[in-house]
Amino acid sequence: QKEVEQDPGPLSVPEGAIVSLNCTYSNSAFQYFMWYRQYSRKGPELLMYTYSSGNKEDGRFTAQVDKSSKYISLFIRDSQPSDSATYLCAMSGMNSGYSTLTFGKGTMLLVSP
Amino acid sequence: SQTIHQWPATLVQPVGSPLSLECTVEGTSNPNLYWYRQAAGRGLQLLFYSVGIGQISSEVPQNLSASRPQDRQFILSSKKLLLSDSGFYLCAWSVQKQAQYFGPGTRLTVL
Repeated sequence: QKEVEQDPGPLSVPEGAIVSLNCTYSNSAFQYFMWYRQYSRKGPELLMYTYSSGNKEDGRFTAQVDKSSKYISLFIRDSQPSDSATYLCAMSGMNSGYSTLTFGKGTMLLVSP
Repeated sequence: SQTIHQWPATLVQPVGSPLSLECTVEGTSNPNLYWYRQAAGRGLQLLFYSVGIGQISSEVPQNLSASRPQDRQFILSSKKLLLSDSGFYLCAWSVQKQAQYFGPGTRLTVL
């Protein structure tokens, strides 16, 4: 079993739709959870950063963590064509002095106008 | 605010040639620094990380090496490139246990 599983997509939605992106993981030691957005031929950009379980909202983006199910989600409301990108989930446990992230392979999202 | 730079942006090199990729961070002190490679369909692979000047940890034994000559400078090198070294190389920084922030990347093609 891979440590982090993420559907590669592509996920195609019309503009204005609500998008749900998900990752499952197997390591119960993960405490920090992140979502990155990566446009083609660019570096990943941090979108959301959460600790432990619960929800976090930032504008049109909501990150949700369910540690009991080992499942995290990113919701995008009122999706725009500019949201078309690959979304990477990442997570880490408790480390001393540095963060080692375990990444999913990314889900490609396509939002059509 | 913090900024991370990488150069060159793109590079085409013949097999057997040397490599030097540079990464610099501005606006923070004593960051943790990371080198990743991203190959198509294979996700992000951590190559090296550094918690301080001269301190390098390797995650994957391979044809590459890393150095940190200054607090905010991280260099990825190779003496002889292989075809399999082609990919998108990303530098990232973090402070303690916070999330990592990535640079714009260098696309390397080895022919």
